[in-house]
Amino acid sequence: AQSVTQPDIHITVSEGASLELRCNYSYGATPYLFWYVQSPGQGLQLLLKYFSGDTLVQGIKGFEAEFKRSQSSFNLRKPSVHWSDAAEYFCAVGPYNTDKLIFGTGTRLQVFP
Amino acid sequence: EAGVVQSPRYKIIEKKQPVAFWCNPISGHNTLYWYLQNLGQGPELLIRYENEEAVDDSQLPKDRFSAERLKGVDSTLKIQPAELGDSAVYLCASSLGVRSSYNEQFFGPGTRLTVL
Repeated sequence: AQSVTQPDIHITVSEGASLELRCNYSYGATPYLFWYVQSPGQGLQLLLKYFSGDTLVQGIKGFEAEFKRSQSSFNLRKPSVHWSDAAEYFCAVGPYNTDKLIFGTGTRLQVFP
Repeated sequence: EAGVVQSPRYKIIEKKQPVAFWCNPISGHNTLYWYLQNLGQGPELLIRYENEEAVDDSQLPKDRFSAERLKGVDSTLKIQPAELGDSAVYLCASSLGVRSSYNEQFFGPGTRLTVL
């Protein structure tokens, strides 16, 4: 079965601290992986995507993610979190044309000053 | 350039009443998606349109939900009658819809429905 697991429902970090959000997937075909961010009252915004090649991908707002096929993981990282990063983060997996995205349940990030 | 527009942003209705949501995609985007996002969950696809054709409605509860995209541009999602369990956020997204190619989905802000 195709699925995405985000084991952390809620994470709290101090501003300036590093961040890692976990994502594990199960997908029968070649996985194309995505991270989205959803701020309160806003739609989802694409942070980054992985299709192939270099397993470390860079995204917007200083985020990066690393694809590890052996662990079926695609964890999101940021070296130094800003208060404006407080939001809900969703990992997703799907086909190349993104017509059938499967989202995880999300991780809510809270940032303390 | 305007993003995906949805209205209303919030809707409160009593159970058994009908409700409709409207979505205007980004200009030139051929593919339109409606998603359901329950509290504490990720979005789940309800229906996908390519132009005016519904090409994937397998997850749409057809007994009470309906959708249309008559001219291949804006779209309406309807629930009749609404049930308590329909309380959720309804997201609309659109993409260019180029076949066999990566198409980034752009999401609207959603309509938050509360059924009392």
